[in-house]
Amino acid sequence: GAVVSQHPSWVICKSGTSVKIECRSLDFQATTMFWYRQFPKQSLMLMATSNEGSKATYEQGVEKDKFLINHASLTLSTLTVTSAHPEDSSFYICSAREASNTGELFFGEGSRLTVL
Amino acid sequence: KQEVTQIPAALSVPEGENLVLNCSFTDSAIYNLQWFRQDPGKGLTSLLLIQSSQREQTSGRLNASLDKSSGRSTLYIAASQPGDSATYLCAVDNQGGKLIFGQGTELSVKP
Repeated sequence: GAVVSQHPSWVICKSGTSVKIECRSLDFQATTMFWYRQFPKQSLMLMATSNEGSKATYEQGVEKDKFLINHASLTLSTLTVTSAHPEDSSFYICSAREASNTGELFFGEGSRLTVL
Repeated sequence: KQEVTQIPAALSVPEGENLVLNCSFTDSAIYNLQWFRQDPGKGLTSLLLIQSSQREQTSGRLNASLDKSSGRSTLYIAASQPGDSATYLCAVDNQGGKLIFGQGTELSVKP
């Protein structure tokens, strides 16, 4: 199957700093990528849809100025958590859809953010 | 609004047992349904994808069924092994690629 890579896989930062997480589709092009967050023992919640060359679409309740998303190329989307606070500590996972008829989505390995 | 529910939340079985995980969804107008496996602290591994026009998909010891009219899907695992221990998530796509996830079933297979 297609491969989606996230970096970093684990990051610790101080409160008030910004953290950037990258999501790359390694062997296919993805015009659309999705960002999810997952709190411990909970399921994944969609944060935003990242569209190549245009602004991201955010789900209700997600602050677009807090979670900046950039999709500058067909293989890379970035999520920047600005002015991070401890409540932003979570597992962030991206997905990308291969351009095929099945619509199957492939997920990255996730990035665990801990804000001190 | 689509809602996805998984039952049970947790399941513990002895090695070798066959088991069924359940997933239900409220809006039957889905594009596809996907089952994933998640190991602790890890990302998602896609197990099976069922298109809305399909009734089931099989991969090795795994079989997933889909009944759109009743809003249900099941994941059948045959001859369970300790390595199958993980959280299993089902997710529906109402088209567009935005997945709505269930809460997951945490499976433990005891040797």
